[in-house]
Amino acid sequence: DQQVKQNSPSLSVQEGRISILNCDYTNSMFDYFLWYKKYPAEGPTFLISISSIKDKNEDGRFTVFLNKSAKHLSLHIVPSQPGDSAVYFCAASAKETSGSRLTFGEGTQLTVNP
Amino acid sequence: DTEVTQTPKHLVMGMTNKKSLKCEQHMGHRAMYWYKQKAKKPPELMFVYSYEKLSINESVPSRFSPECPNSSLLNLHLHALQPEDSALYLCASSPWGTSGRAAQYFGAGTRLSVL
Repeated sequence: DQQVKQNSPSLSVQEGRISILNCDYTNSMFDYFLWYKKYPAEGPTFLISISSIKDKNEDGRFTVFLNKSAKHLSLHIVPSQPGDSAVYFCAASAKETSGSRLTFGEGTQLTVNP
Repeated sequence: DTEVTQTPKHLVMGMTNKKSLKCEQHMGHRAMYWYKQKAKKPPELMFVYSYEKLSINESVPSRFSPECPNSSLLNLHLHALQPEDSALYLCASSPWGTSGRAAQYFGAGTRLSVL
């Protein structure tokens, strides 16, 4: 049972435009969500997180939105840059099942074209 | 500084070899993790150490043996691996033990090939 789903395996956008990456979850116990970026042959890099008590968190060009009723979160990157081209993983954790256990989605390959 | 250092970067071993992967962090983090990642798949949790004690073992085969000598170091001892164990092995750390809530910071990984 895949509890965190990223339904788009890939996304292509033009430089300067907005990139929107989506993630859905099924486990209502999840209360902390994270986004990671991964380049080939490197480990995932933490980008931004959000607690379930918030519906938005912003850090520079990156904004994460959380819609608890829909069990949906999204990552907005504005403006997109070619260096943002990477695989993006959504992850979630639930305090009751150990706050440190992350459940990852399958990832979305973002390509930003110059 | 959010650096987690893993050595070696690449490792090729035969099925009868014994080798170790090493991970080091100097951020004062109290939880450390081993993950396995196959190509085009998300990381899979293997082990979690919280305050230097093993707190999670995700039913990993005994040919993988973790060790946490101190709060900064994490090892993964490998013995009698199978070709299907070939993968990217990632180490991560987070500030608090497993009761805390914080991001995990990953190393660059060790690319392991089992022949």
